[in-house]
Amino acid sequence: QVKLLQSGAALVKPGASVKMSCKASGYTFTDYWVSWVKQSHGKSLEWIGEIYPNSGATNFNEKFKGKATLTVDKSTSTAYMELSRLTSEDSAIYYCTKEEEYNNYNDYWGQGVMVTVSS
Amino acid sequence: DIRMTQSPASLSASLGETVNIECLASEDIYSDLAWYQQKPGKSPQLLIYNANSLQNGVPSRFSGSGSGTQYSLKINSLQSEDVATYFCQQYNNYPLTFGSGTKLEIK
Repeated sequence: QVKLLQSGAALVKPGASVKMSCKASGYTFTDYWVSWVKQSHGKSLEWIGEIYPNSGATNFNEKFKGKATLTVDKSTSTAYMELSRLTSEDSAIYYCTKEEEYNNYNDYWGQGVMVTVSS
Repeated sequence: DIRMTQSPASLSASLGETVNIECLASEDIYSDLAWYQQKPGKSPQLLIYNANSLQNGVPSRFSGSGSGTQYSLKINSLQSEDVATYFCQQYNNYPLTFGSGTKLEIK
């Protein structure tokens, strides 16, 4: 069965960076786009961007360009997102998702990573 | 960006009732519309894709409809386990965008 296992919660200081992971299992990791989604304070969802593990190709929401960096390690079927220059506005839950093969909807979600930015 | 306007923001209904949640896109999204259910403290789960296709394992009391800019999610015979927040998402154009959510409670 498809699983996306994300890394644990993070408490980081303003101005620092954080890197989180998303380990995929139960499907061929390189064949499907992985998306990252932000959910602030239990509110709505914002799409950050996506990466295609086979090639490393990415697409970003303009709002998150310069903020988020997406990478993958094909050898471990793991996707990573690094967020830089953190502020309180970056405090949120971040989800990784597996996208359906031919369309950009998310058929599987990770459990989420809570990031708290505080001094 | 395509704006997704979801209504109502919250909804209270009785067990066994039928509820409808609406999603209005700011432009034609050609049925590239998904619905997700997020139970308290959990990740979102896919319910409907391509506006009206039921994801495997989702109860048949959930259905989706619509075209162009107007879409809806219908829940028949409301059950206690349907308490959740529901989101729509368009995937016709980048950036992918979500509705603001509808919080469903039992009366």
